[in-house]
Amino acid sequence: GQSLEQPSEVTAVEGAIVQINCTYQTSGFYGLSWYQQHDGGAPTFLSYNGLDGLEETGRFSSFLSRSDSYGYLLLQELQMKDSASYFCAVGEDSNYQLIWGAGTKLIIKP
Amino acid sequence: NAGVTQTPKFQVLKTGQSMTLQCAQDMNHNSMYWYRQDPGMGLRLIYYSASEGTTDKGEVPNGYNVSRLNKREFSLRLESAAPSQTSVYFCASSPKGAAIAKNIQYFGAGTRLSVL
Repeated sequence: GQSLEQPSEVTAVEGAIVQINCTYQTSGFYGLSWYQQHDGGAPTFLSYNGLDGLEETGRFSSFLSRSDSYGYLLLQELQMKDSASYFCAVGEDSNYQLIWGAGTKLIIKP
Repeated sequence: NAGVTQTPKFQVLKTGQSMTLQCAQDMNHNSMYWYRQDPGMGLRLIYYSASEGTTDKGEVPNGYNVSRLNKREFSLRLESAAPSQTSVYFCASSPKGAAIAKNIQYFGAGTRLSVL
């Protein structure tokens, strides 16, 4: 079957670094994406990895290893506004379908 | 630019009632999607439309129908609402192009639906 696994909750301290992991098992692979969703809000796109390696966008970085079916999102210099749920999603086929993980709730403590 | 606009934002239905959720995007995107999100869960695809004139079932299509009215608009219809359809519904769109474009979806603000 198709599945994406990510931790349900992660807690970190303001100013620290946190890593959210995602492992996937899908019939096809057209890239790994990360989305952020604040409570009551809509998901917004954060980052995309189509090839192995690290992509950096400001305080956020994302990594992919296709051979391990694994990726992670790294958030640095955590701010209280980063408190949200983070979803990994895999492009499963060329028909633009994304398969979504259940999300990781990031709790940031002062 | 408004991006992706969904109406209504909130709706309460009684079991058996019908309703249509509206979605429109002004970004000239080819692909549009309807998802539902239940508490503590990820997004589950109900239907999608890869281009104007085409629609396909996603993971959880039962109890729903869709219409891709034109390139801008993609509506979701509940013919006979059931309490199991209580959820938050999101419409999204994505452009045609390279893989990165296909993986970037732009979401509306959502419709919070309760079926009693």
